[in-house]
Amino acid sequence: QKEVEQNSGPLSVPEGAIASLNCTYSDRVSQSFFWYRQYSGKSPELIMSIYSNGDKEDGRFTAQLNKASQYVSLLIRDSQPSDSATYLCAVFPPGKLIFGQGTELSVKP
Amino acid sequence: GAGVSQSPRYKVTKRGQDVALRCDPISGHVSLYWYRQALGQGPEFLTYFNYEAQQDKSGLPNDRFSAERPEGSISTLTIQRTEQRDSAMYRCASSPYSSGNTIYFGEGSWLTVV
Repeated sequence: QKEVEQNSGPLSVPEGAIASLNCTYSDRVSQSFFWYRQYSGKSPELIMSIYSNGDKEDGRFTAQLNKASQYVSLLIRDSQPSDSATYLCAVFPPGKLIFGQGTELSVKP
Repeated sequence: GAGVSQSPRYKVTKRGQDVALRCDPISGHVSLYWYRQALGQGPEFLTYFNYEAQQDKSGLPNDRFSAERPEGSISTLTIQRTEQRDSAMYRCASSPYSSGNTIYFGEGSWLTVV
């Protein structure tokens, strides 16, 4: 079992819809959770972090964490074509960030 | 500098040659990480440093791979006797915190072994 698992996609949503990206992790000692966005040919950039159970909102992005279920998700509201990218889930067990394989999101105009 | 700087950006080398990849972290950043990323995959952890001390090298694939950060700033990842399977994007990242969880990536060094 991989330490961090994501559906590789591609996930395709129409412009204006909600995109839902999911991630599960195996290491129960992980305390910090992150979402990175990676455009094709570019380096990953941090978009969200979450440390406590529940929801954390930042603009159109909402991160959700459920430590009991070892589950992290990212919701993107009012999806835009510019959101088309690969979204990487990362956990900090701690000492080093462990990444999932990423979910490719495509937002169609 | 403004961001994490890596060099060379692109490197083509012949199988069996040694390669050195350089990373200059964001000024003042304490932690420095090396990752490897294959096409269509997420970054794979290789090793990290707090200041000049290598804290974890559990991700280095084998003893052909080594890394150093002698003065707690610039780091070098060295691959000896390169093999075709070493071809990948090698990414460096840095954090302002010791063993920090908020890391910022450089643009990467794309290595091709022919």
